[in-house]
Amino acid sequence: SQTIHQWPATLVQPVGSPLSLECTVEGTSNPNLYWYRQAAGRGLQLLFYSVGIGQISSEVPQNLSASRPQDRQFILSSKKLLLSDSGFYLCAWSERPNQPQHFGDGTRLSIL
Amino acid sequence: LAKTTQPISMDSYEGQEVNITCSHNNIATNDYITWYQQFPSQGPRFIIQGYKTKVTNEVASLFIPADRKSSTLSLPRVSLSDTAVYYCLVGDRGRDDKIIFGKGTRLHILP
Repeated sequence: SQTIHQWPATLVQPVGSPLSLECTVEGTSNPNLYWYRQAAGRGLQLLFYSVGIGQISSEVPQNLSASRPQDRQFILSSKKLLLSDSGFYLCAWSERPNQPQHFGDGTRLSIL
Repeated sequence: LAKTTQPISMDSYEGQEVNITCSHNNIATNDYITWYQQFPSQGPRFIIQGYKTKVTNEVASLFIPADRKSSTLSLPRVSLSDTAVYYCLVGDRGRDDKIIFGKGTRLHILP
């Protein structure tokens, strides 16, 4: 069966520090991968999605970036975090575009 | 992308059947309707997906009228653990497109 791993579960970072969140999927090949952010009490905001290695689409201009160095690995990064980057970050995968998505447990990021 | 509209919140009682309706007037011919459930501090969980008429699984039923401009998620005999946010999404499964999660419906089950 397929599983998705996302870490860390919680993270506290100072403003201006770098960020790296990692997501890996097991049990499937060539998945579509997604990064979302959810502010407290709000809906999910799609940040990036990828249909293959090295193929990243950005949905929202910001100081975040994403990379897909391997088929089942998706990384969310920032060189300098802002206070507004606080939130709940979720990684998800699907077999094909717009197929049901399967989410990881999320990373709660707090910026101080 | 077809826009969806759903109630912001709903209350119900344990043991009741709950129906959450989603409006999607601009749904396209190839669009499917998908529902997710999200508990606090967790990622959304896929509940059910359908294209027309009725779909049922072990968790819920999805009713879609002939014009497909709305859909209703039906949760039979809810319990306190069904308190969550429920999202209705519409998208084309065959296109390299992306689904937009709205704010969902916050369902609160009372004892």
